[in-house]
Amino acid sequence: DAKTTQPPSMDCAEGRAANLPCNHSTISGNEYVYWYRQIHSQGPQYIIHGLKNNETNEMASLIITEDRKSSTLILPHATLRDTAVYYCIVRVGDSWGKLQFGAGTQVVVTP
Amino acid sequence: DTEVTQTPKHLVMGMTNKKSLKCEQHMGHRAMYWYKQKAKKPPELMFVYSYEKLSINESVPSRFSPECPNSSLLNLHLHALQPEDSALYLCASSQAGQDGQPQHFGDGTRLSIL
Repeated sequence: DAKTTQPPSMDCAEGRAANLPCNHSTISGNEYVYWYRQIHSQGPQYIIHGLKNNETNEMASLIITEDRKSSTLILPHATLRDTAVYYCIVRVGDSWGKLQFGAGTQVVVTP
Repeated sequence: DTEVTQTPKHLVMGMTNKKSLKCEQHMGHRAMYWYKQKAKKPPELMFVYSYEKLSINESVPSRFSPECPNSSLLNLHLHALQPEDSALYLCASSQAGQDGQPQHFGDGTRLSIL
């Protein structure tokens, strides 16, 4: 599976949009981009995933560049409860493979 | 709220004890996973079960013994653990298929070995 690069930390003001970047320059054509977050003392929470097109759900939007070498997770209106470690993971879309977690981005939302 | 339920939430055991961690999901998922997460580190895969059969073992020591009695349940039997095995143990599940279905995690069992 392709590796990803994320900034180690980001601060965001409450109520503002949080834009989390992820680089995956070696991504293959059949690899999906997944985003998870982990709030302290909880399990990882699935946020969103995509293959080529931009995706949106009730939690966030995922913007994937046309060459698929990078993506951005957008939290439209950050709240204090969005403070967490955010993981960008790239992997083939089979059902049985492991999620290779990197170090992630520690996002701190401040009042 | 998570749809993958793990029990117990916390477990303290001695190195000679035998205990089991349990995981349950009712989403009809046919793949289930055990991950281990050390403090301040990302989760690491231990085992994968697909259709109740062990499909991946990431070279985990034999003192960890997984079991999948049916499609909804996943156990992790623990015996003669070491202090370095203290960690958060996470269970996850996912649907079958080739369309990138995500894994869904429970909140884990925090294990401490005395």
